[in-house]
Amino acid sequence: DVKVTQSSRYLVKRTGEKVFLECVQDMDHENMFWYRQDPGLGLRLIYFSYDVKMKEKGDIPEGYSVSREKKERFSLILESASTNQTSMYLCASSVRDRTYEQYFGPGTRLTVT
Amino acid sequence: AQSVSQHNHHVILSEAASLELGCNYSYGGTVNLFWYVQYPGQHLQLLLKYFSGDPLVKGIKGFEAEFIKSKFSFNLRKPSVQWSDTAEYFCAVNKYSASKIIFGSGTRLSIRP
Repeated sequence: DVKVTQSSRYLVKRTGEKVFLECVQDMDHENMFWYRQDPGLGLRLIYFSYDVKMKEKGDIPEGYSVSREKKERFSLILESASTNQTSMYLCASSVRDRTYEQYFGPGTRLTVT
Repeated sequence: AQSVSQHNHHVILSEAASLELGCNYSYGGTVNLFWYVQYPGQHLQLLLKYFSGDPLVKGIKGFEAEFIKSKFSFNLRKPSVQWSDTAEYFCAVNKYSASKIIFGSGTRLSIRP
């Protein structure tokens, strides 16, 4: 079974803090993705990576950055957290040529106060 | 703009009722279509997928979906729902050979026992 794990299920941070969300997958997948999930808006892609050190912006990259130093790990960074970044963050991975079949982690619910 | 629309935000049914959740997309050309499901407290997971061929596809747990190209639709159906089908359902579209998928806003399904 593919396993995608995220470092925290719940996180509370203060406005202006730097926040790191970590994601690890154990199936040697080339592609990794970060989404945020908000009620009524569904999942929106923040960034994705198709290889180590490679990244591409998704639909809502503003206020976020990412890092992929190892194939199994994909980090989402909020340089200076703001209250409008309070959300559920989902990580996913897929095989290179099967982008459509993504395996999701449990999510991190981030609250910025 | 390219988009995926799910017009029903919240659907409430009694057990044994029939279900149909609507999904429309606005992409031209060849697309791959998916339904994902998120049960309470669980990971988002793939329910069914359509790439080509028979426009009626069957997924897990008795779900099926029909691709109607002329209507740009991919509606999800189940003839008789169970309480355990309570979940949030997301329609998603992937343009052929594209590296990402676009999710709809989701439909929350509540089943009364």
